[in-house]
Amino acid sequence: QVQLVESGGGLVKPGGSLRLSCAASGFSFSDYYMRWIRQAPGKGLEWIADISSSGNNIYYADSVKGRFTISRDNKKKSLYLQMNSLRVDDSALYYCAREGITPYLDHWGQGTLVTVSS
Amino acid sequence: QSALTQPRSVSGSPGQSLTISCAGTNSDVGGYNYVSWYQQHPGKAPKLIIFDVRERPPGVPDRFSGSKSGNTASLTISGLQSEDEADYYCSSYAGTYTYVFGGGTTVTVL
Repeated sequence: QVQLVESGGGLVKPGGSLRLSCAASGFSFSDYYMRWIRQAPGKGLEWIADISSSGNNIYYADSVKGRFTISRDNKKKSLYLQMNSLRVDDSALYYCAREGITPYLDHWGQGTLVTVSS
Repeated sequence: QSALTQPRSVSGSPGQSLTISCAGTNSDVGGYNYVSWYQQHPGKAPKLIIFDVRERPPGVPDRFSGSKSGNTASLTISGLQSEDEADYYCSSYAGTYTYVFGGGTTVTVL
């Protein structure tokens, strides 16, 4: 079955960096667009970044553009999110998710928690 | 990339029907038939329950239905059950590969 497992979260100081990973299994990873979404504690969902199946097309929300970088390694069946210049308001649970044929998200990981605090 | 507008909370008794609205603009909800809905139980990841406005993934009960009129999408839960108590989020494609979520609605089963 489809499985997405995020890792790499933790506590980091403002201005610091963190790299999140998402390991995929149970499907042909290289055939699917993938997305990162985050959820601040007690808050709603926020789209962060999107990457095409080949990795050639990448899109970001304005809130993270220039600070975050999404990437993927299809041979390793892994999705990544490099987060630089982290701010307190980047604190959230970060989910990776698989896109369906149209822009819906049919499978989600359990999330990895990022806390930005001094 | 403004969030879609959902009511903060709705409630209903078992067996009743309730509807959650999701208001957007003609740049997102009104412009594309790419509205999806997600159910999230406390401490769990979101789960897709409606995509492309009104389509249900396999395994989602048919008491969940979606619709759209103009710039507002709606999720209706018919025959409300206790396990339907959760947070619900709408989402829409907003053009040029951007996506927007609603603020979320908490459904309480009385």
